[in-house]
Order: sequence, then structure tokens, then C-alpha cells
Amino acid sequence: DQQVKQNSPSLSVQEGRISILNCDYTNSMFDYFLWYKKYPAEGPTFLISISSIKDKNEDGRFTVFLNKSAKHLSLHIVPSQPGDSAVYFCAASASGSARQLTFGSGTQLTVLP
Amino acid sequence: DAGVIQSPRHEVTEMGQEVTLRCKPISGHNSLFWYRQTMMRGLELLIYFNNNVPIDDSGMPEDRFSAKMPNASFSTLKIQPSEPRDSAVYFCASSRQAGGYGYTFGSGTRLTVV
Repeated sequence: DQQVKQNSPSLSVQEGRISILNCDYTNSMFDYFLWYKKYPAEGPTFLISISSIKDKNEDGRFTVFLNKSAKHLSLHIVPSQPGDSAVYFCAASASGSARQLTFGSGTQLTVLP
Repeated sequence: DAGVIQSPRHEVTEMGQEVTLRCKPISGHNSLFWYRQTMMRGLELLIYFNNNVPIDDSGMPEDRFSAKMPNASFSTLKIQPSEPRDSAVYFCASSRQAGGYGYTFGSGTRLTVV
């Protein structure tokens, strides 16, 4: 049973437009959420995170939104750039679990020039 | 800082052979994680060490898989005997504290079992 779900395996967006990547979770104990970006032949790299005490965190072109009641988070990239083309993984952790990260299956984002 | 170093980058082996994947975590990081990436399941946690001690190996798929961390700067993941369904990319990650405020991943080992 996947506790973190990314239901869209792929997403294509035009350069300059907004990219919205979605993630749902089922474990109500999760209280910290992260997004990782992965390029081919490289390991995932940390992008942005959010604690459950917040509903929004912004870092430049990247914003993560958290809706705790819906157990849903999203990553917004504005404006999207061709260099943003990568696989994006959503991850979550809970304070009682030694903070192991549980990852979603990833979404391949392609930004078209 | 050289980051998390994994070797080999690619491994092709025949079914039934033993495979050993290696990982050197970032110096000063006391937690180490082995993940497997597949198309169907994304990134799955296989095993997690804290201060060289295995804490959670519930993700290890079968007894054919084993992992060791003999010291703070080295870990291995061994598959014996290997099977075609073990083909995947295996990632090692390390962090400064026990868990998920952010890991640093290695570049992964792409394993192909034929």
C-alpha cells in the first residue's frame, strides 16, 4: 500500500507557463514533506520542503502548497524552464519513524521550448 | 565535499551470480539509506543504518538481499543469487541526522541481471 502517491506519471508544459505537480498521502502521521528533482543518470536532489505547521513555502520559482485536511500537496513552478525537465519525487516523513522518507513514484516533467 | 559515492555506476551480471554494490557516505553523516528505483514502485527504502547499526530492514525484499556497514565511511548491498527481477537502479543516501530532513543521494548503480 503506497502511502505517498503521485498519480500523474508524466506532465508536459510549455516554457514560461506554470507547472503543477501533485502528491497525495494517506498516513496522517506525516508532518514533513519534501520534493526532490532527478535528472537522468543522477541521484535525486533536494528541491524544497514544508512542515505541517505551514501551508505554503516559497523558494524562487518553486512553491509548495500543503492541504492537510485533504492530505494533498503540490509543487508549483513558475515560470517553467526547459532545464526544469526532470523526474520530480514527492516524499514525506513522520516524527515517530526516525524520520525515514517515504517517496512517491515520481512524475516526469517535460518543459517544451 | 565529494558527496555520496557509489560504485559501480553500471553492473551487468548473469542470473544466479552474486552482486555487491558499494557506497561511501558523506563524512560526518551518521545515517545511511539504500533505496531501489523501479518504474512501477518509484523509490523504495530497502534498509536504513544509523551510526553503522541497521535500524530498519523491513524493505529488504528477500533473504537474497543483505547489507552491511562495517564503519562510518562504507556500506555494501549484496544480492546473492541475483535474479532478472532485481534489475533496477539502486541508490545510496546519507544524512546528518536520523532521517528525513533531507538526504543527499549518490548517483546510483544501474543493475541489469540477464
